[in-house]
Amino acid sequence: AQKVTQAQTEISVVEKEDVTLDCVYETRDTTYYLFWYKQPPSGELVFLIRRNSFDEQNEISGRYSWNFQKSTSSFNFTITASQVVDSAVYFCALNRYNQGGKLIFGQGTELSVKP
Amino acid sequence: DAGVIQSPRHEVTEMGQEVTLRCKPISGHDYLFWYRQTMMRGLELLIYFNNNVPIDDSGMPEDRFSAKMPNASFSTLKIQPSEPRDSAVYFCASSPLSGRALAGELFFGEGSRLTVL
Repeated sequence: AQKVTQAQTEISVVEKEDVTLDCVYETRDTTYYLFWYKQPPSGELVFLIRRNSFDEQNEISGRYSWNFQKSTSSFNFTITASQVVDSAVYFCALNRYNQGGKLIFGQGTELSVKP
Repeated sequence: DAGVIQSPRHEVTEMGQEVTLRCKPISGHDYLFWYRQTMMRGLELLIYFNNNVPIDDSGMPEDRFSAKMPNASFSTLKIQPSEPRDSAVYFCASSPLSGRALAGELFFGEGSRLTVL
């Protein structure tokens, strides 16, 4: 069975703090993909990143970075120098090879960045 | 460019009534997905289409739910009869052929919030 766990339901930080959102996954597949999506207050989900199971390189995009560790089945997301606009619900997701849109989502972490 | 457009944004109805949710995908996208979001179950895939053909409807809860895609620019999700437990936010998403679709990069609409009294 496949499963994604985001243990942090809510996180509150003050602007400019760094924050890490945790994601732990379970799968028996050797080939799979991991994702992060952002859901701002407007409601739609916005794709942030995809990682395949063979690529454990960390990824950095501006203030965002992702740490993928197969040994611990984790795919954590760090926001550096957080801003109020980062306030949203963030979802980690998993899918099997070649089942693109059939994502298994975690329960989400609500991030609140206060000025 | 216009994103995925869903209507209505909010719907309040009474138990037993028929509900129809509508979706216009991004032009040129070949995949269309319907997801449902609830507090209890989170985000779950209901059904998806490729080139207007339903590919996987294993997530559709029961026979009260049906989805159609009569052409590349329109899809509906119908609930008949509706029940209070159907209350949720229903998302439509689309994705271009191969590549991004297989990669799980979906473009979501803003959702339709359904409340069944």
